[in-house]
Amino acid sequence: ETGVTQSPTHLIKTRGQQVTLRCSSQSGHNTVSWYQQALGQGPQFIFQYYREEENGRGNFPPRFSGLQFPNYSSELNVNALELDDSALYLCVYTVGSSYNSPLHFGNGTRLTVT
Amino acid sequence: QKEVEQNSGPLSVPEGAIASLNCTYSDRGSQSFFWYRQYSGKSPELIMFIYSNGDKEDGRFTAQLNKASQYVSLLIRDSQPSDSATYLCAVRAGGFQKLVFGTGTRLLVSP
Repeated sequence: ETGVTQSPTHLIKTRGQQVTLRCSSQSGHNTVSWYQQALGQGPQFIFQYYREEENGRGNFPPRFSGLQFPNYSSELNVNALELDDSALYLCVYTVGSSYNSPLHFGNGTRLTVT
Repeated sequence: QKEVEQNSGPLSVPEGAIASLNCTYSDRGSQSFFWYRQYSGKSPELIMFIYSNGDKEDGRFTAQLNKASQYVSLLIRDSQPSDSATYLCAVRAGGFQKLVFGTGTRLLVSP
């Protein structure tokens, strides 16, 4: 039991549309990150949120945005979808607060853009 | 130069053999290293993490870290067909939850 749930599990959108993906976490996971994994690639860091503030971002354009809520849930929003946005989107949580604490992935949302 | 490099494979081993997976990284200041297993269509599952030089064992898995040579490896003893998956090496890169991943090594264990 991971304590983290991502929804939906699968999603199909059309190019140019907007999408919101969700990650809900149990209490104590005050840091959450999102990753994008394209087919055949390793996951790529999108951004990290700590106590509702973005405090780290990877090489993704501003149309990728996020929110973290007081109940520790999080959203990833992507505007103006492009075909290359088709990927598995992963929410990450940490067990423990040490810099060496392990990171675990949620079950992911598979986004297909047509 | 890629930050984390892995041989894409496939690495084929017979059931019961030792599978050896390797990973090199470019940032000498990296401190934490992770191995994830990913089955097709599923999310990565953490199987080992290591941050001190040397070996760390957990059941059939051993992670080895050599910071001087900037490589980390994963040994899987008594390989089983259920170990067939893609193994992702990841390095923590400056942010608390920021990992840089290799592209993964596909492992095939034949019965």
